[in-house]
Amino acid sequence: AQKITQTQPGMFVQEKEAVTLDCTYDTSDPSYGLFWYKQPSSGEMIFLIYQGSYDQQNATEGRYSLNFQKARKSANLVISASQLGDSAMYFCAMRERDDKIIFGKGTRLHILP
Amino acid sequence: DAGVIQSPRHEVTEMGQEVTLRCKPISGHDYLFWYRQTMMRGLELLIYFNNNVPIDDSGMPEDRFSAKMPNASFSTLKIQPSEPRDSAVYFCASSRRDGGGDYTFGSGTRLTVV
Repeated sequence: AQKITQTQPGMFVQEKEAVTLDCTYDTSDPSYGLFWYKQPSSGEMIFLIYQGSYDQQNATEGRYSLNFQKARKSANLVISASQLGDSAMYFCAMRERDDKIIFGKGTRLHILP
Repeated sequence: DAGVIQSPRHEVTEMGQEVTLRCKPISGHDYLFWYRQTMMRGLELLIYFNNNVPIDDSGMPEDRFSAKMPNASFSTLKIQPSEPRDSAVYFCASSRRDGGGDYTFGSGTRLTVV
């Protein structure tokens, strides 16, 4: 069974609009961490944001925020005021107690001018 | 800090040849991970080390793949013999034990086996 599910293979969004990328996860560990990474066409993996399972507040980093809904096992990434440079592949990942980090299949985001 | 350093950036080799990919993790990081990325399978965790000791190699595709971490600052992933289906981007990443979001990728090695 997949531990990280990203249901949107691709998305097209108009520039300046907000974007929500979906991620659901499956774990029985009470302690875990959730990550989002961006992979532009150049190929590098760029860390965006992290949420610990015990963190009370939703994580935010500039235009990025993580909508963490623990009971639903959901960790959606929200990008506010999207820009052309946000066009990339986005990966959700989870780290469990064994410190192994597993990635979802990714969502390809296209920002339209 | 120079980040996670991988070499080479690109490798083209003939089927049957031995390939060695190299990784230098961030100093002070306890964990080192090797991933393979392909269009079909996405990002797959191959193996990871804690304090130079392999913890889980269940993702290693077959015996042709091997990985070592002789010390805290160096790891290798070796494929012998290489096959065309091994063509992929191989990433190395490192993190601290209780690092939270401190988990950094290298730039990757694009391997092409012809």
